[in-house]
Amino acid sequence: DTAVSQTPKYLVTQMGNDKSIKCEQNLGHDTMYWYKQDSKKFLKIMFSYNNKELIINETVPNRFSPKSPDKAHLNLHINSLELGDSAVYFCASSQRLGHGQTSTDTQYFGPGTRLTVL
Amino acid sequence: QKEVEQDPGPLSVPEGAIVSLNCTYSNSAFQYFMWYRQYSRKGPELLMYTYSSGNKEDGRFTAQVDKSSKYISLFIRDSQPSDSATYLCAPLNGGSEKLVFGKGTKLTVNP
Repeated sequence: DTAVSQTPKYLVTQMGNDKSIKCEQNLGHDTMYWYKQDSKKFLKIMFSYNNKELIINETVPNRFSPKSPDKAHLNLHINSLELGDSAVYFCASSQRLGHGQTSTDTQYFGPGTRLTVL
Repeated sequence: QKEVEQDPGPLSVPEGAIVSLNCTYSNSAFQYFMWYRQYSRKGPELLMYTYSSGNKEDGRFTAQVDKSSKYISLFIRDSQPSDSATYLCAPLNGGSEKLVFGKGTKLTVNP
């Protein structure tokens, strides 16, 4: 069973185009995320939603707009794509691990969408 | 100073070696310390996590945190070729869901 899935797996497009990446999780988690991993493999959070509500919005250009139609889905729409947007985009969802003081949320990642902007 | 510093390697060891992977961090509010493993062209997967200072062991893997020196370590005993991956440390504030990832260390275990 796929826990966190993303479509498409690969996306090649021209500069200036608008594209969307979809994410779905079947784990019953309340919180979902989008991360960007650049060519140097640096993984950085972009957005986080909890039960369809935006809770983390890092310094990301307005061209990136997340949308969460329900708590199992978090999509990412990108307008006017630029060369620098080329990266791997990972979706993740989180659940609480452990009990009491030592418990924390931990994140489960999807397989990634490799975006190439030409 | 970046919040999390991690030597990107690459690190190449023979099968059976003991591997030591390390990170330093600057934010003293971090309380949880995650280690993720990422195979080539895959998403990161949680390997283990620790809370506050101390050691935690899980099979061949031991995670160690020294909050006084802001130093995080992951040790792999009897390393296997299947351990070849990039290892990312990711500390977290209590109550926050914002993981801060290190750049990752690429490890290759040669048979």
